Parts: sequence; structure tokens; C-alpha cells
Amino acid sequence: AQTVTQSQPEMSVQEAETVTLSCTYDTSESDYYLFWYKQPPSRQMILVIRQEAYKQQNATENRFSVNFQKAAKSFSLKISDSQLGDAAMYFCAYRSANAGGTSYGKLTFGQGTILTVHP
Amino acid sequence: GAVVSQHPSWVICKSGTSVKIECRSLDFQATTMFWYRQFPKQSLMLMATSNEGSKATYEQGVEKDKFLINHASLTLSTLTVTSAHPEDSSFYICSARGGTSNQPQHFGDGTRLSIL
Repeated sequence: AQTVTQSQPEMSVQEAETVTLSCTYDTSESDYYLFWYKQPPSRQMILVIRQEAYKQQNATENRFSVNFQKAAKSFSLKISDSQLGDAAMYFCAYRSANAGGTSYGKLTFGQGTILTVHP
Repeated sequence: GAVVSQHPSWVICKSGTSVKIECRSLDFQATTMFWYRQFPKQSLMLMATSNEGSKATYEQGVEKDKFLINHASLTLSTLTVTSAHPEDSSFYICSARGGTSNQPQHFGDGTRLSIL
């Protein structure tokens, strides 16, 4: 079974600064997807960024970028120019792309990191 | 973008009653829906996966008779918490996915369930 680990329960950053959230995962599969989701106090799950394992290029979405290290099974999220609205709980998630597996299509979430943004 | 509507957003009920939560995909056909449970400041725990027209597949440790899931159409799945007790109080979130598995999951806004 796949596992996702976020080792930082809480992080804080000053507005306009950069912060990196860590995520590691364990899998024996070669084809999968990785995601970062944001959950603000409203508790709505918002997709921040997605990475396909077969792509070597790191995904970017405006101020959000990832550092995907497949061999190390690491998938960190960098938030540049942090804004007050970035304050939320962030979840790293894994999804298998193996059509024959029992975990096909399911998302496995990490424990989450609470990000505080200071003005 | 794809929209998933979850209703009700908040429900309070007495211990021993049953509560039904609905999850609807508004602008796409959801072949698969997922139900999660989340405690405060914790992660989402998958409870079950349902495919339209089939019985739900429950995760280990989830009581099938306590949490009844129905996915009768391509746009609606329901979660019924039967004979609810205070320990069932939690935040429940559904997500829906259409087509093939490489399609993204779209999340509902969640339901806060409080059992008195």
C-alpha cells in the first residue's frame, strides 16, 4: 500500500516571502500522480497543483511550484510571494495510475501541514 | 469547472437517528464517487468508493451497516449514517470523478455532522 508523509505539522511564513512544504511518499509503482490540495478554514478542498510521475519537468501554477524527485520519492511544494489568502491546511496526495491495482483511482493523503501567513 | 454539490452543509441531530448526506455532480457524469471522513486538523480518511450501479467498496475498519452508501445514478451518491451516535460526529466530504481514472476528483464542500 502507498503511504504519504508530511513531516511538518505546522509552518509559518511572512507575507511576500517564500515557503516550502515537504512531502515524501512510498510506492512500488512507476506510474502515478501526485497532488497538492489546499483546505482553507471553509474546509473546501482546492486543487493547487498536479504532477504526473512520467513527466520529469516540475509542475508550476503561478506562484506555486513543485520539486519532484522521483528517485527520492519526494514532492515538495514551494509557494512564492506568499499572500494572506494562502493560509490554509495543505495536503499532499498520491493516486495510482495502475489500472489493475486495488488502489486504482483512490487518493491517499498525507497528514497535512497547517500554513500560517504573517502580515 | 466541474461542480460537485454536497447537501446538507451542516446537520445536527439526536443520537439514534439516521442522517442522509447527498453528493451530486452538477455538470458531469460521475462514474465513481468517494466518501471521506475528516476530524479537526487531521487528514481525510477514505471511507468507501462507489461506482454507479454497483455496491460500494468499503475501506478496512469502516462499518458497512453503519455507513450505507448508494450510487444509483451517474449524478448522485448518498451516504446514510444509521443509528448515529456522538462518536459519528465528524466532517464528511464526497468527491466525484467522471470517465477514466486519470480524470481529476472534484470535491464537494463537505457536511459537518453533529450528533447530540
